[in-house]
Amino acid sequence: DAGVIQSPRHEVTEMGQEVTLRCKPISGHDYLFWYRQTMMRGLELLIYFNNNVPIDDSGMPEDRFSAKMPNASFSTLKIQPSEPRDSAVYFCASSSSRDRVSRRETQYFGPGTRLLVL
Amino acid sequence: SQQGEEDPQALSIQEGENATMNCSYKTSINNLQWYRQNSGRGLVHLILIRSNEREKHSGRLRVTLDTSKKSSSLLITASRAADTASYFCATDQGAQKLVFGQGTRLTINP
Repeated sequence: DAGVIQSPRHEVTEMGQEVTLRCKPISGHDYLFWYRQTMMRGLELLIYFNNNVPIDDSGMPEDRFSAKMPNASFSTLKIQPSEPRDSAVYFCASSSSRDRVSRRETQYFGPGTRLLVL
Repeated sequence: SQQGEEDPQALSIQEGENATMNCSYKTSINNLQWYRQNSGRGLVHLILIRSNEREKHSGRLRVTLDTSKKSSSLLITASRAADTASYFCATDQGAQKLVFGQGTRLTINP
């Protein structure tokens, strides 16, 4: 299995521009999570989906952030308009409620997208 | 705010020595997990311990959990240079949400 795939790996943009981050979860996984990691705040859960439905978006910082999961194999996190304080590494993770060993508790992370907003 | 707090924030030891990292949390949990993050990479799950377990082993890893003190420790025995990474504890409070600590940055010196 290729694992969780994220694109792009690096993104540099100017303040005010729209940024779209993409994620392909592990095939068969029914949970998908978006995290943001910064030195100041550590790793924060932004939103997560179950069977393509958003379950908890309480971590989304503000209306500039939106996330979608149109199907089981694809999700996007969009920032519009972007601001310098959005600079961070954004991780996507997935898990499976059908994992017999650890059930749904273990999360598998992608390599992350390093975003820099100038 | 972060649920888990790791201690120490940074740890540097010689190859072959044992490394111990601690994690404290504030609320009741279903389980506690430890993850490793190599520089510039995503997090990798290491081990999970449930709230009704006190100790768990996996290879050179040993995890303990004390729910009365709301704390956990991760011991890496016979450390290797490849163990150099950041280590995070994460608490599962239900509803599939993991809350991560700030991490311990471990450096193994050859």
